[in-house]
Amino acid sequence: EDQVTQSPEALRLQEGESSSLNCSYTVSGLRGLFWYRQDPGKGPEFLFTLYSAGEEKEKERLKATLTKKESFLHITAPKPEDSATYLCAVRANNNDMRFGAGTRLTVKP
Amino acid sequence: EAGVVQSPRYKIIEKKQPVAFWCNPISGHNTLYWYLQNLGQGPELLIRYENEEAVDDSQLPKDRFSAERLKGVDSTLKIQPAELGDSAVYLCASSPQGTDTQYFGPGTRLTVL
Repeated sequence: EDQVTQSPEALRLQEGESSSLNCSYTVSGLRGLFWYRQDPGKGPEFLFTLYSAGEEKEKERLKATLTKKESFLHITAPKPEDSATYLCAVRANNNDMRFGAGTRLTVKP
Repeated sequence: EAGVVQSPRYKIIEKKQPVAFWCNPISGHNTLYWYLQNLGQGPELLIRYENEEAVDDSQLPKDRFSAERLKGVDSTLKIQPAELGDSAVYLCASSPQGTDTQYFGPGTRLTVL
């Protein structure tokens, strides 16, 4: 069965303190891996799609990378406005879509 | 461009009552998804539509849940009767044809008392 595991569950950083979030997955044929940001009381907001091992995408202070077993979301010099829950999802070749439980990031000023 | 619209935003009902949620996807998006999200968890797919056709409803509890997408645009998700365990946020998302990127609405928070 397809599985997505995100770690850590929660992460507290000081403003400017860079770190990485992990998304480990097992899937029968990866069609795509997605990162979303979710603020309290809102729906997930799309950040990145990665399709193959070695691929990298960047947006402002965020950079997503992909290997055959996991993806990392690197946050460089985070700001308080980066505080949110970051969700990882995988889509299999059979179109099965599965989300992880998310990492709740808090950035203190 | 307007995003995915959902209503109501909040709903409180007593158990055994029926409830319905409405979703208007982004204009031109032919794929529509309904998800359930429990507190502290990621969204779980309930049903996926391609235009009017429900192409994946394997996770929809069909004894009490039903959905429709007439004319391939708006969609309604219904629960009848609601149970205490149905309390959650119900999210709607849509995608343009040929892409996997999903755009989510704000969700409907359901509380069953």
